[in-house]
Amino acid sequence: GAVVSQHPSWVICKSGTSVKIECRSLDFQATTMFWYRQFPKQSLMLMATSNEGSKATYEQGVEKDKFLINHASLTLSTLTVTSAHPEDSSFYICSARDQTAMNTEAFFGQGTRLTVV
Amino acid sequence: GESVGLHLPTLSVQEGDNSIINCAYSNSASDYFIWYKQESGKGPQFIIDIRSNMDKRQGQRVTVLLNKTVKHLSLQIAATQPGDSAVYFCAETISGGYNKLIFGAGTRLAVHP
Repeated sequence: GAVVSQHPSWVICKSGTSVKIECRSLDFQATTMFWYRQFPKQSLMLMATSNEGSKATYEQGVEKDKFLINHASLTLSTLTVTSAHPEDSSFYICSARDQTAMNTEAFFGQGTRLTVV
Repeated sequence: GESVGLHLPTLSVQEGDNSIINCAYSNSASDYFIWYKQESGKGPQFIIDIRSNMDKRQGQRVTVLLNKTVKHLSLQIAATQPGDSAVYFCAETISGGYNKLIFGAGTRLAVHP
C-alpha cells in the first residue's frame, strides 16, 4: 500500500519556540494532505486541509497563524507549530490520498508526539 | 474542530470470541466509510471500507455493516486475537474528490487470553 512518512516521530521543545513537522507521500503524489491532532484517549480531530500550491483550509477553532501549513510540492506538506505552549502538546498525524486513484482510503503517517516543556 | 472529543469506551472480549464495534456517523451526505485500527503511539491503519451503495462488506476476519437509515456502522471481528487489541475508529467522507475524512469517537478493544 501507499506510504506516508512523518518526521520527526517525537519532539520535545521549550515553550515559546517553533516546531516543524514534515509529512511526505513516498510512492504517490498527493494534491491534498490532511493534518490531525489527537489528545490522549481521544479521537483524531481534523485541524486543516493542506492544498498543494495554495493556502490551507483550517477547521473552525484552529488558529492559522499558530499552525502554519506549507504544501510546496505534491509529496511534501509541513506543519509548523509557532510559539508552542504546553497546551499544544499532542500527537499530530498527517494523511494523504493518492491523487491518481480517486475514492481510495487515506493513508496515514506514523504521527509526531510533540511535548512542550 | 470536528469529531467528538470524548474519552474512549472500552470493549473487553475473550480471545477467540467475536467482537462487534459500533459507530454512529454524523453526515447523511457521507458516502464512503472506513474503519481504522490504531495502536498506541502509531498512526491509524486501514482495516476495511464500504461505500454507501452497499450494506455489508467482508474482509479477512472482519465484516463491516452499514445502516444508512440510522447512520450507523459496525465492525465485526471474528475469532478475536490478542493482536487485535487497539483503538478502532470509523471515519466518514464524501467521495469524488479530496474531501476531508472525519473520525468518530473510537472504541478501545481489549482482548483477554
